Parts: sequence; C-alpha cells; structure tokens
Amino acid sequence: NAGVTQTPKFRILKIGQSMTLQCTQDMNHNYMYWYRQDPGMGLKLIYYSVGAGITDKGEVPNGYNVSRSTTEDFPLRLELAAPSQTSVYFCASSYFVQGSGNTIYFGEGSWLTVV
Amino acid sequence: AQTVTQSQPEMSVQEAETVTLSCTYDTSESDYYLFWYKQPPSRQMILVIRQEAYKQQNATENRFSVNFQKAAKSFSLKISDSQLGDAAMYFCAYRTGYALNFGKGTSLLVTP
Repeated sequence: NAGVTQTPKFRILKIGQSMTLQCTQDMNHNYMYWYRQDPGMGLKLIYYSVGAGITDKGEVPNGYNVSRSTTEDFPLRLELAAPSQTSVYFCASSYFVQGSGNTIYFGEGSWLTVV
Repeated sequence: AQTVTQSQPEMSVQEAETVTLSCTYDTSESDYYLFWYKQPPSRQMILVIRQEAYKQQNATENRFSVNFQKAAKSFSLKISDSQLGDAAMYFCAYRTGYALNFGKGTSLLVTP
C-alpha cells in the first residue's frame, strides 16, 4: 500500500542549481498536485494536473515546472534555485469527479534547503 | 477568492480532556467540502475528518467530531479524551473543485 511516494526526502541545493522532485502514485488517481509549506504556514498549491499530458498553475508557480507523461508520475522541476524556495514540498493525488469531494492523499514531504 | 481562517495559532489541552479548534471560511459556493488534516512533527499530512456541505449532520470519527455551521461558515474540530499522540499541527481545508485551500494551522499541545 505505497500510496503517494516522493523522493528525495531531504536535499540541500546551492543557489542557482536545478533539481527534480519525483512523485509517483499507485492509486490510479487522475488528479495530482504539488504543494509547498513554508514555516508557520499552511500549504500553498504550486501546480496541479488533471490527467496525463495536462498541467496547470496553482497559486505559487513561479520558479517551478512540471510534467505529467503518465498517470502515475508527476515530477516537479526547480530551475535556478533561490533561498525563497527553501520549503517542505508535498506531492498529493486524488480521484476527482465534478461534484465529489474525494479525499486528497499526501506524500510524506520533501525538505528542501537552498543555501 | 476562497479563504480559510484558523484564529488560534496555538492551543493546549490536558490529557483526557476535550478541546475545540476553530475554523472559518469564506466562499460564495454552495457545494463544497471541508477537511481537517493533522500534521505531526514528521510533517506527514493525515486526514482526520471530512464534511460535505450538503449534509446537515456533523461528521464524526471516533474521538474526533466537527461542528459545521453552514450559515456562519464555521467548521470547528472537537477532540474528545485527548491523547498525547494528538499533539500536532491541525489544518482546516476547504475544497470546491480541484484543489484544497488551507488555513495557517493550529498547533495543539497535549499535557500529561
């Protein structure tokens, strides 16, 4: 019962470096999400995807890119890392049908520090 | 824009006692869903309870229950018989459509 799996759990990046956070889910969910959580704050939506090949921006997309080539995978790419991107990143997924409130399931989070 | 407000940054409760965490939200939608998530120090997001706005009956999950007041746009979480393992951040979240909007959270301390 893997659910939503994120890697890596911890990473330290230098300013200007790039990296990809990996996310995979095994629940055949159509929707996938990336959130970030800054200290003392709730989660903010970075990007989401409604299915393979379709992605859209959330509340805080600047500095990030995503792709969704398969139903299972939704990687998040950080280009030119900045200290403001120091945060905990959560991948999540849900089976969403209009009119339903299906639960969103979260991965365990990835702690990213940019120095 | 939908907003979720948790007015209590921190709460404290003694073991075995009852505590209520507050949440209000702002929306013009009539069909939506509300959630409480628990986040222990491990940072994992754990679903505690959910409520459909069209249901008048308040949701209950074991020691956790909600007081959903739709007209007042209020969605509080009551934890009964508090346990040490309940200590965590608690986030209220609102969903209409594709994603969740979160409040800033309430840190719950449970004392022996």
